[in-house]
Amino acid sequence: GIQVEQSPPDLILQEGANSTLRCNFSDSVNNLQWFHQNPWGQLINLFYIPSGTKQNGRLSATTVATERYSLLYISSSQTTDSGVYFCAGRRGGQNFVFGPGTRLSVLP
Amino acid sequence: KAGVTQTPRYLIKTRGQQVTLSCSPISGHRSVSWYQQTPGQGLQFLFEYFSETQRNKGNFPGRFSGRQFSNSRSEMNVSTLELGDSALYLCASSLDGPNQPQHFGDGTRLSIL
Repeated sequence: GIQVEQSPPDLILQEGANSTLRCNFSDSVNNLQWFHQNPWGQLINLFYIPSGTKQNGRLSATTVATERYSLLYISSSQTTDSGVYFCAGRRGGQNFVFGPGTRLSVLP
Repeated sequence: KAGVTQTPRYLIKTRGQQVTLSCSPISGHRSVSWYQQTPGQGLQFLFEYFSETQRNKGNFPGRFSGRQFSNSRSEMNVSTLELGDSALYLCASSLDGPNQPQHFGDGTRLSIL
């Protein structure tokens, strides 16, 4: 199956700062999602983005399918952005594979 | 539209017991997947069901099993519980097709004493 890497593993920001999270896949995927897991364990859908660019408020994501990577941008970060960010991909009818996550801490 | 509902939210069991977790997908979703999340292993795929058939299976021992009913609700069962089975169990549902996004429930946190 595919392998998923995420970087950086940990990130500490001051409130108001911007950040970029990266996700690399070992093979091409036809389904790619970004999630935010809050401190209560809930996995929140951020983006379904197998290719292209999408924006939702302060968050945006870009996937370059031919290069097998995706980026998540967080602008003007807030303390509520803290948590773990996961990307997950799926190739064909195989199961989803999650990356190890990026743990983000936003300090007031 | 109601989201994915998992019950119970919390569960405490002892070694050797068995447990059944339930997942009700979003209305209209026929694909249900289960994942185990532990601090050491991250989020790992358990199995996927569609139309009452297991479509994919992860690398877990036979103590882990699941099923899906005709209304798309799914259950997973873990028999002969071990301490290492303590984890957050997450269920996700999606419309059919490999290009559909998954939507997750809030999970069941299982603790084994």
